Formats: sequence, structure tokens, C-alpha cells
Amino acid sequence: GAGVSQSPSNKVTEKGKDVELRCDPISGHTALYWYRQSLGQGLEFLIYFQGNSAPDKSGLPSDRFSAERTGGSVSTLTIQRTQQEDSAVYLCASSLVGVLETQYFGPGTRLLVL
Amino acid sequence: GENVEQHPSTLSVQEGDSAVIKCTYSDSASNYFPWYKQELGKRPQLIIDIRSNVGEKKDQRIAVTLNKTAKHFSLHITETQPEDSAVYFCAAFKAAGNKLTFGGGTRVLVKP
Repeated sequence: GAGVSQSPSNKVTEKGKDVELRCDPISGHTALYWYRQSLGQGLEFLIYFQGNSAPDKSGLPSDRFSAERTGGSVSTLTIQRTQQEDSAVYLCASSLVGVLETQYFGPGTRLLVL
Repeated sequence: GENVEQHPSTLSVQEGDSAVIKCTYSDSASNYFPWYKQELGKRPQLIIDIRSNVGEKKDQRIAVTLNKTAKHFSLHITETQPEDSAVYFCAAFKAAGNKLTFGGGTRVLVKP
């Protein structure tokens, strides 16, 4: 079946502009995660959605970052007033909580802030 | 919260030799430990996982061991091949909070 998809695959923006990154999880997966991976670095947790529960936003680095998940499926990560240090690969993952905790990753969105 | 330490950060081995990556975790409530392989420019992909009720698991050339008492787990790759070259991440998961905490990654280079 279809895996996790993300769009766009690449995004170049100017400092100060807002960007929206999209994630389509695997159908039926109730949990959705956003991570950030800077060049050559590990995976930094950003935010977690589970069903209709309030999201765990503990990893968001600043109030410029926000995310929402509509209808328990598609999620959008928004970065306002982008800064050069926001440049990274943003990865989305989904899992079927309560059955399998395995997270399946999307291909990521490579963001470059000039 | 959970803290996962991973060592070494880089590992260079000769083709055919074994590679071992070690991780420690801090939260004894963690009960699921996946390993991900990330090739250059690609997404992380699960290669093997182990649950806290098991001490060892093997899948062809890769194996993972878990020591709950010491709170550490290891990935073993035998008969390494050039295609094993990648960054490997360990992670620890606990049901409460549903959060997966990743180690810092190990860059493995298999020299032909």
C-alpha cells in the first residue's frame, strides 16, 4: 500500500517568509509525528498527534512553528517568519498506536531558507 | 524524559567484518527499541526492532540485543557489505506519551 507522503519535496524560501509543509500519513494510522533533521544530524522531535487528543507540542523550537492535523489524517507544519537556522529536512512519520509502535517515515521536505 | 545515547558516532569497518553499535537509555519504562537505517538523502527505514520481553532478535545478518537491567541495547551487523554503509539510529519508545526518542546516529562506512 501507499506509504507516508510529503510535499513539497524541496522548498526554497526567503528569510521572513512563511512556509507550509504537508504530510499524508499511511491510511488508518492514528499517530503522526513531525521531526527535523539538520544536515548530518539526528532526528529532533517536533510535535505528535494522536487521534483527537491534544497534540504533544513539546518539541517545537519556537512559537513560529505550528502544526495542525485535519480530520485525523493530513497534517500541515507551518513555519512563520522563517530564519536561516530553520533550514533542514522536515520528516513526517506515522504509526498505528496500540497495535504496532513502528513509525514509518515519509521522504521528507528539504527546506532551504536564504 | 527519556534520553538515548548512541556510540560510536562514526564506524569504519572492512567489508566482511562485523559492526557493533551501542545505545543506552534512561527511562526504565521504555519497552520498544527500533533501529533505523538512513541512506544518504533517503528517509529512515526500520531494519529491526526488539521489545522489552525479549533479550535478543536476529534477522539474517543483523541482530539486536537488549539488557533491560543495564538499560542498553546493541545492533550487530555481521559480514558487512558496502551497501550497509549508512547512518543508523537507535530509538527507545514507551507507551506513556507515545514518544520515540532517537539516539544521535552512527555513520557506518564499509570499505571494500
